[in-house]
Amino acid sequence: GEDVEQSLFLSVREGDSSVINCTYTDSSSTYLYWYKQEPGAGLQLLTYIFSNMDMKQDQRLTVLLNKKDKHLSLRIADTQTGDSAIYFCAESSEWSNAGKSTFGDGTTLTVKP
Amino acid sequence: ETGVTQTPRHLVMGMTNKKSLKCEQHLGHNAMYWYKQSAKKPLELMFVYSLEERVENNSVPSRFSPECPNSSHLFLHLHTLQPEDSALYLCASSRGSRNTGELFFGEGSRLTVL
Repeated sequence: GEDVEQSLFLSVREGDSSVINCTYTDSSSTYLYWYKQEPGAGLQLLTYIFSNMDMKQDQRLTVLLNKKDKHLSLRIADTQTGDSAIYFCAESSEWSNAGKSTFGDGTTLTVKP
Repeated sequence: ETGVTQTPRHLVMGMTNKKSLKCEQHLGHNAMYWYKQSAKKPLELMFVYSLEERVENNSVPSRFSPECPNSSHLFLHLHTLQPEDSALYLCASSRGSRNTGELFFGEGSRLTVL
């Protein structure tokens, strides 16, 4: 079955850039997502990218996709303490009839002042 | 406010109790989901309801029973649960098939089984 893997922890200083990495195995993945989960809350979609794109930028967020290596990254510029959260990578395939997604285990980002 | 509302936010129940979790979405979506989030485990899809299908994860025990009376409401009925069922139960909705598949999550119902 599909598998999505992420490193579990990342710690950065406020103002630095954060890069969270993700790898996936399903070559038919069509949409790749980044979700953010703050303590005590549900997941919130941050951004997504289609598999025919290499890069997507949205304000402080930059998503890079290397489809050949099945590698996805999320870069957060000028990281703030409010960015501290768990970040989930997820993928879904075009064949999926119900928008089901496979999630990674999540990367806990800690931003130190 | 994500447009997906879950109640209750916190629930403590004994193993012999019967309770229900409720989810309501105000986004006009036509697919709804239950996910289970346990500590140190990946997010687990439990059930999917959409116009096209109902999908169940065969590994979900029968003590969890979903109900979807319409496209805006989803319930998870709980009975004779075990302590290992303690987790955060997340409801989500999406526009359904042949769309970009983004999920909109509620804030979750934190369940503790004593």
